[in-house]
Amino acid sequence: ETGVTQTPRHLVMGMTNKKSLKCEQHLGHNAMYWYKQSAKKPLELMFVYNFKEQTENNSVPSRFSPECPNSSHLFLHLHTLQPEDSALYLCASSQARGPHYGYTFGSGTRLTVV
Amino acid sequence: KQEVTQIPAALSVPEGENLVLNCSFTDSAIYNLQWFRQDPGKGLTSLLLIQSSQREQTSGRLNASLDKSSGRSTLYIAASQPGDSATYLCAVIQGAQKLVFGQGTRLTINP
Repeated sequence: ETGVTQTPRHLVMGMTNKKSLKCEQHLGHNAMYWYKQSAKKPLELMFVYNFKEQTENNSVPSRFSPECPNSSHLFLHLHTLQPEDSALYLCASSQARGPHYGYTFGSGTRLTVV
Repeated sequence: KQEVTQIPAALSVPEGENLVLNCSFTDSAIYNLQWFRQDPGKGLTSLLLIQSSQREQTSGRLNASLDKSSGRSTLYIAASQPGDSATYLCAVIQGAQKLVFGQGTRLTINP
């Protein structure tokens, strides 16, 4: 396992369900991110949190609702999703500032909307 | 708008060969560049991070170079092994924590 842990690994949900994805990092990072990876598309940034505050929402539909209660935990709450939202959702963390920072990714949650 | 292109999209080589994966980007105003590998259905594993002031980084059989002025980076893999089979992703890091990815090169090493 990497320093970034995502649960669940797989999720199947109906369009009327409500579910949440969880991400936890033990690297002492202070920035956390949600990315979406769809088939045959580059990874797309969804949200950025710095020191628990959301600093970026990349025009994500409101059916995706992020929550960052502290610098180590990040959630993505899902409701009334569409089949085209099926994808691999990846969480990442980094240091918010400093010239040597890179990104650490989790293993992802494979989401299927039926 | 930054665009990152990786060539080739797929590559298949026999075990033991040395190989080069290419990454190009349109805006040279980058902070860093990071190479990742992704196994099927899995997350991303960081391979190498190159600061914008550096020309290359090495880790084991991997060597990554960066030419910011020409908007290019290469990932060199020496003495390839079947375990190197994966998708390799190049990402440029711009200001405001924007990580822009290429679409990846799917590498297959044949025993």
